Order: sequence, then structure tokens, then C-alpha cells
Amino acid sequence: SYELTQPPSVSVSPGQTARITCSGDALPKKYAYWYQQKSGQAPVLVIYEDGKRPSGIPERFSGSSSGTMATLTISGAQVEDEADYYCYSTDSSVTHSVFGTGTKVTVL
Amino acid sequence: EVQLVESGGGLVQPGGSLRLSCAASGFTVSSNYMSWVRQAPGKGLEWVSVIYSGGTTYYADSVKGRFTISRDNSKNTLYLEMNRLRPEDTAVYYCAREGFLGDWYLDLWGRGTLVTVSS
Repeated sequence: SYELTQPPSVSVSPGQTARITCSGDALPKKYAYWYQQKSGQAPVLVIYEDGKRPSGIPERFSGSSSGTMATLTISGAQVEDEADYYCYSTDSSVTHSVFGTGTKVTVL
Repeated sequence: EVQLVESGGGLVQPGGSLRLSCAASGFTVSSNYMSWVRQAPGKGLEWVSVIYSGGTTYYADSVKGRFTISRDNSKNTLYLEMNRLRPEDTAVYYCAREGFLGDWYLDLWGRGTLVTVSS
């Protein structure tokens, strides 16, 4: 089955840049989406179509994709950005959606 | 208000059955692609199933043959019928609406309902 692989954790100090990668074989042909999930809450979309930001999402969130890897970047991370982050995409057959393994971002 | 509200979770024994409901308001379930996503305690998100507006359904391999997604257009409600439940099915189950921005993605989520499979 199709898998999207992320690092388990990323830790940065406030104001530093956090980068989260997502690796998947279908990413050259499929868009990546990124969700932020804070403890006890439903996920919130922070990036769509690899690198576009929904309204209301701070400019410090950006995304990019190259080959089989998508990247979520938090420039100048804030304490309130502490959360789990998941990439999301579909496999090449388009019949199955899949979440990445998830990355816990710690800002301290 | 546009929202999704799940219900039907609870404690069930291994091998048992449960039906989850997801009541939608502010939009029409039958006109949208609708999905179920689950999250085991302390674990990541797992896509479970989708039903297209035309009625086509797809399932994750982990639930295929045991779970059935459906909808009741008159009640504007999405369902997930879960049979032959296993302890590893223990999770918070979210229903979600799919939107399209370049590709399909989950644009509206409910708050989830907890299913515990244990003897």
C-alpha cells in the first residue's frame, strides 16, 4: 500500500525555521496537502496544492515539492505552532487517500 | 452554520458491530465526496473510507470487507457500519467533507467520536 513518510519529530527554538519533509513515490504527479493538529482538536489545513496557503493561515507557513519529496516550512516558528503535522495525498490510482506518518513539532 | 457532528461511538467487544453517524448541516451530503478518518490513541491519522457523490465507495485495506460507508439523503447524514471489530480499530473516528483545490482534500471536519474495542 502507498505510504508517505515523515520524520517523527522536529524541535526548534522560537524564531527559528522548522522544516518537515514528506516522502512518497506518487508526489511527482500528485499534490501534497499539510494539516496541523493540536492536542484534542480536529486537523486544520495549512497548505494546499504543494505550496498555497489558505486564508487565515500565517505567512510563516509555506510549502514546496520537488520530485518525491514535499516540504512544509515554518519560518520564525512560534510557540503556538507546536502541534502534530501531517502531509496528505492520494496514490496514483486515485482510489485511496493517505496521510503521512506525522511529525511532532516542538517549539521551545 | 456549516458543520459535521459525529455520534454512535462507544465501547464494544471484539467481534462486535457498531454504526457511526455523521449529521451534516449547511450543505448537502449527497452532493459531496465524504470520508471517514480515524486516529488511534497517541497515533497518527488514518484515512478509512470515502463515498463519492455518485455513490462509488472505496476503503482502506485495513477495513475492507468489514466496514461499509453509506449515506441517508433524507437525513443528510453519513454512516459508517463497522463489523467484526478488532482491538486495533480503537480510535477517534472523524467524518470529513472533501473539497477540491488542485486535487481532492479534506476541507471540513467533525469533532470525532471515540470507538473502543475491548473485552
